[in-house]
Amino acid sequence: KQEVTQIPAALSVPEGENLVLNCSFTDSAIYNLQWFRQDPGKGLTSLLLIQSSQREQTSGRLNASLDKSSGRSTLYIAASQPGDSATYLCAAPNQAGTALIFGKGTTLSVSS
Amino acid sequence: DAGITQSPRYKITETGRQVTLMCHQTWSHSYMFWYRQDLGHGLRLIYYSAAADITDKGEVPDGYVVSRSKTENFPLTLESATRSQTSVYFCASSEVGRVSYNEQFFGPGTRLTVL
Repeated sequence: KQEVTQIPAALSVPEGENLVLNCSFTDSAIYNLQWFRQDPGKGLTSLLLIQSSQREQTSGRLNASLDKSSGRSTLYIAASQPGDSATYLCAAPNQAGTALIFGKGTTLSVSS
Repeated sequence: DAGITQSPRYKITETGRQVTLMCHQTWSHSYMFWYRQDLGHGLRLIYYSAAADITDKGEVPDGYVVSRSKTENFPLTLESATRSQTSVYFCASSEVGRVSYNEQFFGPGTRLTVL
Protein backbone atom coordinates (compact mmCIF):
# COMPACT_ATOMS: atom_id res chain seq x y z
CA LYS A 1 0.00 0.00 0.00
CA GLN A 2 1.37 3.37 -1.00
CA GLU A 3 2.15 5.74 1.86
CA VAL A 4 3.44 9.27 1.43
CA THR A 5 5.24 11.21 4.15
CA GLN A 6 6.31 14.84 4.17
CA ILE A 7 8.91 16.34 6.48
CA PRO A 8 8.92 18.86 8.04
CA ALA A 9 5.26 19.50 8.81
CA ALA A 10 5.97 23.22 9.12
CA LEU A 11 8.81 25.51 8.11
CA SER A 12 9.47 29.20 8.73
CA VAL A 13 12.16 31.05 6.81
CA PRO A 14 13.12 34.67 6.13
CA GLU A 15 12.58 36.08 2.68
CA GLY A 16 15.31 35.28 0.19
CA GLU A 17 16.30 31.90 1.56
CA ASN A 18 16.55 28.84 -0.60
CA LEU A 19 14.72 25.89 0.88
CA VAL A 20 13.97 22.21 0.33
CA LEU A 21 10.77 20.35 1.08
CA ASN A 22 10.95 16.60 1.40
CA CYS A 23 8.58 13.85 0.37
CA SER A 24 9.03 10.11 0.74
CA PHE A 25 6.90 7.27 -0.60
CA THR A 26 6.85 3.54 0.08
CA ASP A 27 5.93 2.07 -3.29
CA SER A 28 8.69 2.97 -5.72
CA ALA A 29 6.91 1.44 -8.73
CA ILE A 30 5.46 4.79 -9.73
CA TYR A 31 5.47 6.55 -13.06
CA ASN A 32 5.20 10.06 -11.70
CA LEU A 33 4.84 12.24 -8.65
CA GLN A 34 2.92 15.48 -8.36
CA TRP A 35 3.51 18.54 -6.18
CA PHE A 36 0.66 20.87 -5.24
CA ARG A 37 0.26 24.17 -3.48
CA GLN A 38 -2.71 24.95 -1.24
CA ASP A 39 -3.44 28.40 0.14
CA PRO A 40 -5.57 28.65 3.30
CA GLY A 41 -9.21 27.93 2.54
CA LYS A 42 -8.48 27.30 -1.13
CA GLY A 43 -8.19 24.40 -3.52
CA LEU A 44 -5.08 22.64 -4.74
CA THR A 45 -2.97 24.12 -7.49
CA SER A 46 -0.75 21.75 -9.42
CA LEU A 47 2.85 22.97 -9.37
CA LEU A 48 4.88 20.24 -11.01
CA LEU A 49 4.40 16.74 -12.33
CA ILE A 50 7.58 14.69 -12.54
CA GLN A 51 7.59 11.63 -14.72
CA SER A 52 9.96 8.91 -13.53
CA SER A 53 11.82 9.10 -16.83
CA GLN A 54 12.46 12.83 -16.26
CA ARG A 55 13.71 12.61 -12.67
CA GLU A 56 13.62 16.42 -12.45
CA GLN A 57 11.20 19.19 -13.43
CA THR A 58 11.54 22.97 -13.21
CA SER A 59 9.04 25.82 -13.21
CA GLY A 60 10.37 29.28 -12.47
CA ARG A 61 11.92 29.26 -9.00
CA LEU A 62 10.67 25.74 -8.31
CA ASN A 63 12.59 22.57 -9.01
CA ALA A 64 11.33 19.11 -8.16
CA SER A 65 13.37 15.94 -8.29
CA LEU A 66 12.39 12.30 -8.09
CA ASP A 67 14.54 9.38 -6.96
CA LYS A 68 12.50 6.20 -7.24
CA SER A 69 15.26 3.97 -5.94
CA SER A 70 15.30 5.77 -2.59
CA GLY A 71 11.57 6.55 -2.57
CA ARG A 72 12.17 10.27 -2.27
CA SER A 73 11.21 13.51 -3.96
CA THR A 74 12.31 17.03 -3.11
CA LEU A 75 10.84 20.41 -3.97
CA TYR A 76 13.46 23.14 -4.08
CA ILE A 77 12.28 26.75 -3.83
CA ALA A 78 14.86 29.36 -4.73
CA ALA A 79 14.92 32.88 -3.31
CA SER A 80 11.75 32.44 -1.27
CA GLN A 81 9.18 35.25 -1.12
CA PRO A 82 6.30 35.98 1.28
CA GLY A 83 3.93 35.02 -1.54
CA ASP A 84 5.32 31.49 -1.36
CA SER A 85 3.69 31.05 2.04
CA ALA A 86 1.27 28.13 1.67
CA THR A 87 0.97 24.42 2.30
CA TYR A 88 2.82 22.23 -0.15
CA LEU A 89 1.55 18.74 -0.80
CA CYS A 90 3.15 15.89 -2.67
CA ALA A 91 1.15 13.00 -4.06
CA ALA A 92 2.06 9.67 -5.61
CA PRO A 93 -0.20 7.21 -7.44
CA ASN A 94 -1.56 4.25 -5.52
CA GLN A 95 -0.43 0.77 -6.49
CA ALA A 96 -3.35 0.32 -8.91
CA GLY A 97 -2.55 3.64 -10.57
CA THR A 98 -6.13 4.77 -10.12
CA ALA A 99 -5.78 7.65 -7.68
CA LEU A 100 -3.29 9.82 -5.82
CA ILE A 101 -2.10 9.23 -2.28
CA PHE A 102 -1.25 12.49 -0.55
CA GLY A 103 1.21 13.42 2.11
CA LYS A 104 -0.08 15.64 4.91
CA GLY A 105 1.85 18.58 3.61
CA THR A 106 4.49 21.07 4.68
CA THR A 107 3.19 24.46 5.74
CA LEU A 108 5.66 27.12 4.69
CA SER A 109 5.81 30.61 6.13
CA VAL A 110 8.13 33.14 4.54
CA SER A 111 8.62 36.35 6.50
CA SER A 112 9.58 39.67 4.97
CA ASP B 1 -15.33 29.14 -17.87
CA ALA B 2 -13.04 26.27 -18.65
CA GLY B 3 -11.85 24.08 -15.84
CA ILE B 4 -13.40 22.26 -12.95
CA THR B 5 -16.13 23.77 -10.80
CA GLN B 6 -17.86 22.66 -7.65
CA SER B 7 -21.16 23.69 -6.13
CA PRO B 8 -22.15 24.70 -3.63
CA ARG B 9 -18.95 26.18 -2.23
CA TYR B 10 -20.35 26.16 1.29
CA LYS B 11 -23.10 24.04 2.77
CA ILE B 12 -24.54 23.64 6.24
CA THR B 13 -26.92 20.77 6.82
CA GLU B 14 -28.33 18.69 9.65
CA THR B 15 -27.68 15.13 10.65
CA GLY B 16 -29.76 12.67 8.66
CA ARG B 17 -30.37 14.88 5.66
CA GLN B 18 -29.37 13.96 2.13
CA VAL B 19 -26.85 16.27 0.51
CA THR B 20 -25.51 16.31 -3.03
CA LEU B 21 -22.28 18.00 -3.99
CA MET B 22 -21.84 18.81 -7.65
CA CYS B 23 -18.71 18.68 -9.78
CA HIS B 24 -18.44 19.78 -13.39
CA GLN B 25 -15.41 19.79 -15.69
CA THR B 26 -15.08 21.24 -19.17
CA TRP B 27 -11.96 19.39 -20.32
CA SER B 28 -13.70 16.10 -21.22
CA HIS B 29 -11.29 14.30 -18.91
CA SER B 30 -12.11 10.64 -18.52
CA TYR B 31 -11.11 10.27 -14.89
CA MET B 32 -12.84 12.11 -12.07
CA PHE B 33 -12.30 11.85 -8.33
CA TRP B 34 -13.78 12.88 -5.01
CA TYR B 35 -11.49 13.51 -2.03
CA ARG B 36 -12.16 14.76 1.45
CA GLN B 37 -9.67 16.80 3.44
CA ASP B 38 -9.58 16.68 7.21
CA LEU B 39 -7.10 17.98 9.75
CA GLY B 40 -4.79 15.20 10.77
CA HIS B 41 -5.79 12.94 7.89
CA GLY B 42 -4.90 15.00 4.86
CA LEU B 43 -6.64 14.22 1.59
CA ARG B 44 -8.33 10.86 1.20
CA LEU B 45 -10.04 9.39 -1.83
CA ILE B 46 -13.76 8.70 -1.52
CA TYR B 47 -14.71 7.51 -5.01
CA TYR B 48 -13.38 7.75 -8.50
CA SER B 49 -14.70 7.24 -12.00
CA ALA B 50 -12.77 6.10 -15.06
CA ALA B 51 -15.54 7.06 -17.51
CA ALA B 52 -19.27 7.64 -17.71
CA ASP B 53 -21.12 4.85 -15.90
CA ILE B 54 -17.89 3.44 -14.42
CA THR B 55 -17.23 4.20 -10.75
CA ASP B 56 -15.24 2.57 -8.00
CA LYS B 57 -14.59 2.96 -4.29
CA GLY B 58 -11.63 4.71 -2.81
CA GLU B 59 -10.25 4.68 0.72
CA VAL B 60 -13.29 6.10 2.59
CA PRO B 61 -16.48 5.35 0.60
CA ASP B 62 -18.90 4.52 3.44
CA GLY B 63 -21.91 6.84 3.60
CA TYR B 64 -21.37 8.23 0.10
CA VAL B 65 -22.91 7.48 -3.28
CA VAL B 66 -21.71 8.63 -6.70
CA SER B 67 -23.01 8.51 -10.22
CA ARG B 68 -21.65 9.54 -13.58
CA SER B 69 -24.18 9.61 -16.37
CA LYS B 70 -22.25 12.26 -18.32
CA THR B 71 -18.51 12.60 -18.76
CA GLU B 72 -18.46 16.16 -17.47
CA ASN B 73 -20.43 15.68 -14.24
CA PHE B 74 -19.63 13.65 -11.15
CA PRO B 75 -22.03 14.32 -8.26
CA LEU B 76 -21.34 13.05 -4.74
CA THR B 77 -24.32 12.29 -2.50
CA LEU B 78 -24.31 11.88 1.25
CA GLU B 79 -27.36 9.69 1.74
CA SER B 80 -27.86 10.48 5.45
CA ALA B 81 -25.33 13.04 6.61
CA THR B 82 -23.44 12.48 9.84
CA ARG B 83 -21.26 14.88 11.84
CA SER B 84 -18.19 12.85 10.91
CA GLN B 85 -18.79 13.89 7.30
CA THR B 86 -18.08 17.51 8.15
CA SER B 87 -15.12 18.18 5.90
CA VAL B 88 -13.84 19.96 2.83
CA TYR B 89 -14.62 18.02 -0.33
CA PHE B 90 -12.52 18.31 -3.46
CA CYS B 91 -13.34 17.09 -6.91
CA ALA B 92 -10.52 16.39 -9.38
CA SER B 93 -10.04 15.16 -12.91
CA SER B 94 -7.32 13.84 -15.17
CA GLU B 95 -7.00 13.09 -18.85
CA VAL B 96 -7.64 9.82 -20.58
CA GLY B 97 -5.46 7.20 -19.02
CA ARG B 98 -4.51 6.16 -15.57
CA VAL B 99 -3.41 8.55 -12.85
CA SER B 100 0.06 7.11 -13.05
CA TYR B 101 0.58 8.89 -16.31
CA ASN B 102 -1.43 12.07 -16.11
CA GLU B 103 -1.56 15.27 -14.11
CA GLN B 104 -4.56 15.68 -11.83
CA PHE B 105 -6.45 18.98 -11.56
CA PHE B 106 -8.57 20.03 -8.62
CA GLY B 107 -11.70 22.08 -8.12
CA PRO B 108 -11.99 24.86 -5.51
CA GLY B 109 -13.64 22.63 -2.92
CA THR B 110 -16.94 22.50 -1.00
CA ARG B 111 -16.87 23.16 2.72
CA LEU B 112 -19.60 21.02 4.30
CA THR B 113 -20.74 21.35 7.90
CA VAL B 114 -23.11 18.79 9.37
CA LEU B 115 -24.80 19.96 12.57
